[in-house]
Amino acid sequence: ETGVTQSPTHLIKTRGQQVTLRCSSQSGHNTVSWYQQALGQGPQFIFQYYREEENGRGNFPPRFSGLQFPNYSSELNVNALELDDSALYLCASSRDYEQYFGPGTRLTVT
Amino acid sequence: GQQVMQIPQYQHVQEGEDFTTYCNSSTTLSNIQWYKQRPGGHPVFLIQLVKSGEVKKQKRLTFQFGEAKKNSSLHITATQTTDVGTYFCAGPRAGNNRKLIWGLGTSLAVNP
Repeated sequence: ETGVTQSPTHLIKTRGQQVTLRCSSQSGHNTVSWYQQALGQGPQFIFQYYREEENGRGNFPPRFSGLQFPNYSSELNVNALELDDSALYLCASSRDYEQYFGPGTRLTVT
Repeated sequence: GQQVMQIPQYQHVQEGEDFTTYCNSSTTLSNIQWYKQRPGGHPVFLIQLVKSGEVKKQKRLTFQFGEAKKNSSLHITATQTTDVGTYFCAGPRAGNNRKLIWGLGTSLAVNP
């Protein structure tokens, strides 16, 4: 296993609600990247945090936000959920180039 | 914008046949990484290639980085059912080595 954990593993929400997903990075890793992966698609980069600061963002609206804590764990928040937000949300921690992925959170929006 | 493309999208082979997936970037890459994702699982890092023309082997897997550092390939010799999954290539965004742009992946199915 990678040592990266995510919670919860599964989540069902209704449209318009808000959700917070959590990620604990591997020890010694100061960078966390968040990805959205729809069924049958590759991971889509949402944003990355490096030493508690956002270090770049993909093509996701502002209702996707996040933060990173001093222990380098991270949260992804999504407001005003839409049906298309249903996906597997992956976080990956890294120190150099290699990314270590957590098991993901499967979010279903109904 | 910067793009990473992979072909084919799907590949179905008989166990024992070879398999190759190709990755092409719209820009020169400082490095390229390959990941494997099993059905229901998460991406797992396989390898990183850095040098122009670099070739690396991992048992039956051979990875190659093109001379122009814009394309790469993964070749599996004599596939086994354990090779089933989706293979992704990913390259760093221009100006930021920490952020990756991912291809859409090649899904490999192996008939026993």
